[in-house]
Amino acid sequence: KAGVTQTPRYLIKTRGQQVTLSCSPISGHRSVSWYQQTPGQGLQFLFEYFSETQRNKGNFPGRFSGRQFSNSRSEMNVSTLELGDSALYLCASSLAFTSGHNEQFFGPGTRLTVL
Amino acid sequence: ELKVEQNPLFLSMQEGKNYTIYCNYSTTSDRLYWYRQDPGKSLESLFVLLSNGAVKQEGRLMASLDTKARLSTLHITAAVHDLSATYFCAVDISKRADKLIFGTGTRLQVFP
Repeated sequence: KAGVTQTPRYLIKTRGQQVTLSCSPISGHRSVSWYQQTPGQGLQFLFEYFSETQRNKGNFPGRFSGRQFSNSRSEMNVSTLELGDSALYLCASSLAFTSGHNEQFFGPGTRLTVL
Repeated sequence: ELKVEQNPLFLSMQEGKNYTIYCNYSTTSDRLYWYRQDPGKSLESLFVLLSNGAVKQEGRLMASLDTKARLSTLHITAAVHDLSATYFCAVDISKRADKLIFGTGTRLQVFP
């Protein structure tokens, strides 16, 4: 079974631009979550989508948004980029069952650098 | 606000020694995960702990969960260099494994 894939793997943008990152979950997984990892703030939850609906949201400004398509693939968008948005963005997928063994599997990440 | 704290933040240990990483969290949860991250890489799942008293072991690593104390531990036995990495615990507050709150991470360095 293929794992979680993310594209692109590396991205360089300048302040004020916007960026779109893509994530394809493991086949059969309907939940996709996004996380931001920075040296200063660590790993922080951005949001989660299930069946094309945002179910959970972290404490990030509205510049950060996402969506999920009918095939469970997800995109996240960051508008008006700031230097502090430079980070590793990780996508994770899960079956999102409420009982039994359930876990998130992470993709390789997209390394975003804002200049 | 949920807080997940790990200690130590940095651990330098000699090969062959034992040590424990602690993960304390501030809300009730009976689901906790441990991940490993190598430099520049993504997160690799190590353990899934789904109930109070759960204990899982894989090789030189053993993880346990005490939900009453809101504490999980990751014990390293006879460390080897290949275990050098950053280890994260993560609390599942949704119980669906779709929203994890991560600890600060423990950077482990094992030297000869």
